[in-house]
Amino acid sequence: DGGITQSPKYLFRKEGQNVTLSCEQNLNHDAMYWYRQDPGQGLRLIYYSQIVNDFQKGDIAEGYSVSREKKESFPLTVTSAQKNPTAFYLCASSRDRVYTEAFFGQGTRLTVV
Amino acid sequence: GENVEQHPSTLSVQEGDSAVIKCTYSDSASNYFPWYKQELGKRPQLIIDIRSNVGEKKDQRIAVTLNKTAKHFSLHITETQPEDSAVYFCAASDRTGTASKLTFGTGTRLQVTL
Repeated sequence: DGGITQSPKYLFRKEGQNVTLSCEQNLNHDAMYWYRQDPGQGLRLIYYSQIVNDFQKGDIAEGYSVSREKKESFPLTVTSAQKNPTAFYLCASSRDRVYTEAFFGQGTRLTVV
Repeated sequence: GENVEQHPSTLSVQEGDSAVIKCTYSDSASNYFPWYKQELGKRPQLIIDIRSNVGEKKDQRIAVTLNKTAKHFSLHITETQPEDSAVYFCAASDRTGTASKLTFGTGTRLQVTL
């Protein structure tokens, strides 16, 4: 089953802890993205990567970090510095520089308790 | 950077009527404008897209129009059906040097009533 996979689907974390969200794709896509979805605010870009070992900050990067060591993988770490981390996180990938369709994962709902 | 505004935030139509969702963008360099549909509890999926060298594109009951001069684009759904009920997002591509990113609107919740 080809596509983009996020895990876990639900994640609970204690305040003050870092947590890493997984995103893997087997579509051979160059570009990968992380979005945060909050009610009434649409999809806001956290980080994106156009190529292995390179990534750029999006509009709301503070309190997050990423790595792109492999083409297939783009994990997102939500650090304790993120003031309001409870949200729905969506990973996406596209074949190239966004002029082609972006495919989304099923998302991870993170709750800080 | 790019800013995309989307209206209305909610839209209720009767089955069989048409629905129109409008978006405006700020960056005149943007040239790719996709529309995504997100059903409850599911991932967003592309339903139609348009590039800046085209003014209109149709796919069965769905059409998108683009006015580059005014920097706005619209989604038109005709003969709406209950399965069209979902949240719809518009987006625009923003080129920054050698990188590109998609900027999304805040979404429109479409409710098709029987």
